[in-house]
Amino acid sequence: DTEVTQTPKHLVMGMTNKKSLKCEQHMGHRAMYWYKQKAKKPPELMFVYSYEKLSINESVPSRFSPECPNSSLLNLHLHALQPEDSALYLCASSQETGFRGYEQYFGPGTRLTVT
Amino acid sequence: AQTVTQSQPEMSVQEAETVTLSCTYDTSENNYYLFWYKQPPSRQMILVIRQEAYKQQNATENRFSVNFQKAAKSFSLKISDSQLGDTAMYFCAFMKWGSGNTPLVFGKGTRLSVIA
Repeated sequence: DTEVTQTPKHLVMGMTNKKSLKCEQHMGHRAMYWYKQKAKKPPELMFVYSYEKLSINESVPSRFSPECPNSSLLNLHLHALQPEDSALYLCASSQETGFRGYEQYFGPGTRLTVT
Repeated sequence: AQTVTQSQPEMSVQEAETVTLSCTYDTSENNYYLFWYKQPPSRQMILVIRQEAYKQQNATENRFSVNFQKAAKSFSLKISDSQLGDTAMYFCAFMKWGSGNTPLVFGKGTRLSVIA
């Protein structure tokens, strides 16, 4: 099963709300990623988890808080977002990072609108 | 740092024709991976084809093939017998191979429209 799932598909939130995005994969992948994608732009890396530990944080504002409860799940907690944070948030997974790192499989994304 | 350049923001092709999307990259690494990803409108990003830099043979996946020129740092994608379902944004991506975490470095993308 080469599938990464993301919920919800769409999310509208106010600037004072707290919400979470969820990502799940059952491919046994040990690396998971969060990307932000603006319209007609390539994905921008936000965070990388390797073996459930945060390995890369691309200087993302603290209003985005990632969490990896287990090897299959990845969450992105959102708080006090700004309208410019509106975007498609993509989750991806791969076999592992490092020497044997390989292609990433992407989820369908969560389209976030901040009002 | 690695960079990936896709010089064609938009392209169009007639159904059943062949089209080539260009990609160049800059790196001082000797071993790495290159990928083409496809993102249809409002749909999921999927991997189209991958190439390991140490392999001289160009990768092929059905109607999709690449022309990998390592010395020239060029990695173009050829789509043969174009189909309406090929309409999408295509991203060229680079990944280092070796040690540590290896994020993808994406180009800006080429929007391909297949016309009936």
